[in-house]
Amino acid sequence: DTEVTQTPKHLVMGMTNKKSLKCEQHMGHRAMYWYKQKAKKPPELMFVYSYEKLSINESVPSRFSPECPNSSLLNLHLHALQPEDSALYLCASSQAGPTGEKLFFGSGTQLSVL
Amino acid sequence: GNSVTQMEGPVTLSEEAFLTINCTYTATGYPSLFWYVQYPGEGLQLLLKATKADDKGSNKGFEATYRKETTSFHLEKGSVQVSDSAVYFCALTSLRGYSTLTFGKGTMLLVSP
Repeated sequence: DTEVTQTPKHLVMGMTNKKSLKCEQHMGHRAMYWYKQKAKKPPELMFVYSYEKLSINESVPSRFSPECPNSSLLNLHLHALQPEDSALYLCASSQAGPTGEKLFFGSGTQLSVL
Repeated sequence: GNSVTQMEGPVTLSEEAFLTINCTYTATGYPSLFWYVQYPGEGLQLLLKATKADDKGSNKGFEATYRKETTSFHLEKGSVQVSDSAVYFCALTSLRGYSTLTFGKGTMLLVSP
């Protein structure tokens, strides 16, 4: 199994809603990532978890709250988002080792904030 | 800091044409270099990688050579297909470990029959 599975594929939410994005991998990877991708732009790193601990937070607003319940799962909790947060949210995983390791990406959740 | 510069797109080609997408980088140390491809409505897939100078990455007919002297990692394919239409991202590893990547802006490739 070399897949990273993200759910849901599409999400529409209002600015007062609370929702969660989910990501799962069964490749034994110990590093997991959240990226945000606006249309026609490259992905931007948001968070990195290594061995279930938050290792990197790229100064992301607190309305985005990541969680790594175990080594296979990664969640992104959303609350009080703004319309400019509408984007494709990509999860990725890799071996937790030196740089140069391959990232496996999920297909993403296309988020629209109304 | 690290940065990646890619040629502007879209690149529009006819099927069986030769493809080059230019990529140059700025980095301290010896980063690994990658090409990722994103098909419409999907996430990114690793296309090829090179981890040291003069390494050539190759996959599915695509090739790129890590040129330290020119700080380049240009993507080439001898004969493109309609199914190659996608956005191509050049990337390098950052200095912060965990395979965090610095991406170029992406180049859209459109191949017509």
